Amino acid sequence: SAVISQKPSRDICQRGTSLTIQCQVDSQVTMMFWYRQQPGQSLTLIATANQGSEATYESGFVIDKFPISRPNLTFSTLTVSNMSPEDSSIYLCSVEAGAAEQFFGPGTRLTVL
Amino acid sequence: AQKITQTQPGMFVQEKEAVTLDCTYDTSDPSYGLFWYKQPSSGEMIFLIYQGSYDQQNATEGRYSLNFQKARKSANLVISASQLGDSAMYFCAMREGGNSGGSNYKLTFGKGTLLTVNP
Repeated sequence: SAVISQKPSRDICQRGTSLTIQCQVDSQVTMMFWYRQQPGQSLTLIATANQGSEATYESGFVIDKFPISRPNLTFSTLTVSNMSPEDSSIYLCSVEAGAAEQFFGPGTRLTVL
Repeated sequence: AQKITQTQPGMFVQEKEAVTLDCTYDTSDPSYGLFWYKQPSSGEMIFLIYQGSYDQQNATEGRYSLNFQKARKSANLVISASQLGDSAMYFCAMREGGNSGGSNYKLTFGKGTLLTVNP
């Protein structure tokens, strides 16, 4: 299994500001994934982050709004830029630890006022 | 069309009884994996169980078992001997093209089922 930590665990931010979320894994992984869970909804993939290359974004998500860094095999950041109340969500990073296991971090609960 | 369908928005079960949470999926890929996660009110996603499309037997993990009916494209989660701590949101998810770890690790999630265990 993989142990994943995220910082911050929660935050309350003002409209128009940006927040960077960190994800740290206790082992080296090829791909890291960032998901968003809006209130009362299911999880939606934002992007896939490969070390040493540009992140791959899903339809409806763009790099200017959600820039991602992946400087090494154990760490990634997701920035939520120019926030609005609609960005209030839980943001979760995820890694695959073997074909039959995919683990999630504890999540970052973001509220935008 | 939805790839993962969970038709039960909410379910109730008495403590110590078994409960089945439904999940159907839609894919034309012969290689896929099915996952179940538990999400308590804290928001974390807890991995419960996995079933690969080529697995011959139903997956089991402790009190969790997966009733995999490939022809019907269903992957229901069975929780035996329910406990109060099982009260949570449960999500079914699918990964296509990666039965044994392939190039596409993306998970597609259903809308979830809120399980409440009554004492």
